[in-house]
Amino acid sequence: DIQLTQSPSSLSASVGDSVTITCRASQGIGYQLAWYQQKPNKAPERLISGTSKLDSGVPSRFSGSRSGTDFTLTLNNLLPEDSAVYYCLQHNSFPLTFGGGTKLQI
Amino acid sequence: QVRLQESGPGLVKPSQTLSLTCSVSGDSINSGDFYWNWIRQPPGMGLEWLGSIFHTGVSFSNPSLKSRLSISVDTSKNQFSLKVTSVTAADTAVYYCARSRRLDYWGQGALVTVSS
Repeated sequence: DIQLTQSPSSLSASVGDSVTITCRASQGIGYQLAWYQQKPNKAPERLISGTSKLDSGVPSRFSGSRSGTDFTLTLNNLLPEDSAVYYCLQHNSFPLTFGGGTKLQI
Repeated sequence: QVRLQESGPGLVKPSQTLSLTCSVSGDSINSGDFYWNWIRQPPGMGLEWLGSIFHTGVSFSNPSLKSRLSISVDTSKNQFSLKVTSVTAADTAVYYCARSRRLDYWGQGALVTVSS
């Protein structure tokens, strides 16, 4: 199974800041990684698939990139509504696996 | 607009079987374009993929639950279902269904509590 190590597990930032969340895959998954945002008592919402393709309606402040087996989600110009837990998912192969999550507090 | 809706008992006794159904609207499971998935999230914890099924019935399951988990599909009703046998308190979670291996559309989730 492919393991995803997500870091940090939590971080605090201010409005207008930029933050980066990282997911490291235990083996190569190509570009087959997605990012999700989950707010309290809500289902996760996909932000990005295929490493860097933003879903419809996702602000361009969000971006994704890859370097080898390291994947990053970058959030620029943070807004209060960006407070949430963020998860990565590898969709390269079954079993699908998630990172442990990053709680972002603005 | 694609919508998924989980349904099933919210309370299950230990050692019994948890059963949930996901009803899909706005897309046809029989189109064969996507896998259909179950994911769960214990209270205060992260997301765990449980399994996926294709319209043909081909399925994949999380190895950690494989012996207790079964997923089925009813294309005539545009639904797919989850069963987890021999449940314990550790199976208490919000259960989500979602479309595609890329998990693009999700249901709102159904809380299932395992308790006597």
